[in-house]
Amino acid sequence: DGGITQSPKYLFRKEGQNVTLSCEQNLNHDAMYWYRQDPGQGLRLIYYSQIVNDFQKGDIAEGYSVSREKKESFPLTVTSAQKNPTAFYLCASTEDREPTNEKLFFGSGTQLSVL
Amino acid sequence: AQTVTQSQPEMSVQEAETVTLSCTYDTSESDYYLFWYKQPPSRQMILVIRQEAYKQQNATENRFSVNFQKAAKSFSLKISDSQLGDAAMYFCAYRSPYNNNDMRFGAGTRLTVKP
Repeated sequence: DGGITQSPKYLFRKEGQNVTLSCEQNLNHDAMYWYRQDPGQGLRLIYYSQIVNDFQKGDIAEGYSVSREKKESFPLTVTSAQKNPTAFYLCASTEDREPTNEKLFFGSGTQLSVL
Repeated sequence: AQTVTQSQPEMSVQEAETVTLSCTYDTSESDYYLFWYKQPPSRQMILVIRQEAYKQQNATENRFSVNFQKAAKSFSLKISDSQLGDAAMYFCAYRSPYNNNDMRFGAGTRLTVKP
């Protein structure tokens, strides 16, 4: 079955440590996204990529970095510069490079906590 | 920037009854797309229903329907014959056709279904 796989499901970060969240999709989608979800808030866009080797910052990109070396993969690194990283992180993708009404397909998420 | 407001942090409904979740949005655009997403305890985001602003007819998907009031900028979700499996967080979302990566989410409404 096609879908988006996020790993790990739970991740713990120590102070000053960089951690990387994995996102892989086998839907042949061009566009991929990273969202952050905090309690009592909606999803906020961190980064997005419409094509391999290209990505743009979303609303809250500070303290995060991404890469898009393969169409199927869009890993997110939470750097030590992100001072409040505890949140639920969702990866998503869509079919077109310029999605209009096309829905976002979501992964099952990664819960990141600070030790 | 467009904003999406869900004024009901929590709602509850008796099994088999009907419940309506509210959503309002702020935009100066005349064309756009609206979505309702469901997030059950598994935290997997699932598309419930979507509406194109240029369509006057309200979208329906089985037990789910919307009341789209464009002039009032209102997009409520009605769940009929509520089932225990409908218990989840529900997020309203707005997407601009002019910025395809700009999907704005509301803060969510937690729906409880009582047996």
